[in-house]
Amino acid sequence: DADVTQTPRNRITKTGKRIMLECSQTKGHDRMYWYRQDPGLGLRLIYYSFDVKDINKGEISDGYSVSRQAQAKFSLSLESAIPNQTALYFCATIGGGGNTEAFFGQGTRLTVV
Amino acid sequence: AQSVAQPEDQVNVAEGNPLTVKCTYSVSGNPYLFWYVQYPNRGLQFLLKYITGDNLVKGSYGFEAEFNKSQTSFHLKKPSALVSDSALYFCAVRDIRNTPLVFGKGTRLSVIA
Repeated sequence: DADVTQTPRNRITKTGKRIMLECSQTKGHDRMYWYRQDPGLGLRLIYYSFDVKDINKGEISDGYSVSRQAQAKFSLSLESAIPNQTALYFCATIGGGGNTEAFFGQGTRLTVV
Repeated sequence: AQSVAQPEDQVNVAEGNPLTVKCTYSVSGNPYLFWYVQYPNRGLQFLLKYITGDNLVKGSYGFEAEFNKSQTSFHLKKPSALVSDSALYFCAVRDIRNTPLVFGKGTRLSVIA
């Protein structure tokens, strides 16, 4: 089993629909992140969480919300999807004091039509 | 806030030649620096990191990187490029305080046979 699992892997949704992307990890890490990847823009941080009670906005949080249901689970929601949210979304975890490398999920390719 | 710059969108190199992918960073305190690689339709894979100690760090697949504090750089290098090294490379940074991991925009490396 993968250390970081994202579901779904691919999703096509319509403008205005609510959609949730889920992430679970088996690393036992406290820190979890959501990024989106767009061509030429690299990975941009949407939200991050340093523990279950700690949620922080990233660079591009508008239009997104998150929930840290447990140490191992961190979900990302688009309350009302719009076409410019079409992107590749990655979840990642980092352990220890943050000086270890990040472990990434395989990504969720989201298309909003 | 911390930031990362990868000044080259694309680097082309002939197989067998040395390669360099550039990265400069900005943080308030001391940095933790990372390189990741992304192959088509895959998640990000960790290559190497600088936390402290020797300025030259060695990583996976024969890659290495040199930390230069005065130039705030962390360039990725490999003595002899392989066609299979062709991929998208990301530099990332966070400082030793409780800050999130921030990525550059990525550099596409193309190794030509």
